[in-house]
Amino acid sequence: NAGVTQTPKFQVLKTGQSMTLQCAQDMNHNSMYWYRQDPGMGLRLIYYSASEGTTDKGEVPNGYNVSRLNKREFSLRLESAAPSQTSVYFCASSISRPGEAFFGQGTRLTVV
Amino acid sequence: DQQVKQNSPSLSVQEGRISILNCDYTNSMFDYFLWYKKYPAEGPTFLISISSIKDKNEDGRFTVFLNKSAKHLSLHIVPSQPGDSAVYFCAAANFGNEKLTFGTGTRLTIIP
Repeated sequence: NAGVTQTPKFQVLKTGQSMTLQCAQDMNHNSMYWYRQDPGMGLRLIYYSASEGTTDKGEVPNGYNVSRLNKREFSLRLESAAPSQTSVYFCASSISRPGEAFFGQGTRLTVV
Repeated sequence: DQQVKQNSPSLSVQEGRISILNCDYTNSMFDYFLWYKKYPAEGPTFLISISSIKDKNEDGRFTVFLNKSAKHLSLHIVPSQPGDSAVYFCAAANFGNEKLTFGTGTRLTIIP
């Protein structure tokens, strides 16, 4: 039982490069989320998806796009990476809203 | 504007004693509160929650207290164990709303 799986675990990008962070959950949860964690800032919500086919902005959506590909998968795309996007990114899912959220192990992204 | 505040960045407690982690919130619309625990290089894991209709919820060694008039919640861990050493985040939300708002975290160290 994998829970929430994120790939990759680590990534270094150059400013201006693009990349997609992948997330998949096997718990049949309706809601999925992308957070970023920065020192002294806690976790901040970037985007969320309440159900397949819907996405909404969170607290810090600028510079990001998301796709809810199906019920299992929710990807986060950086079209043109900036050093301010250096962070640890967490994907999460939950069955109810708001409810106990299950988190992936995180992706540590560095933009140079 | 930090709507959920954890004013103690760190806390050290002797093994076997009580650990008390505090959290304050400013948004009176919050009616659901959660605590998450995070080890290094892992995603946060859900610990315990409480809704605003209660003032206490207990689960084994963990108890969460909610004081709505003071907009304050606390997590008590009794007795504290070395494995409790981690960063603890409190989070708040409204029922029916997707968005969890997290505090900045408190690093708890249990001293053997």
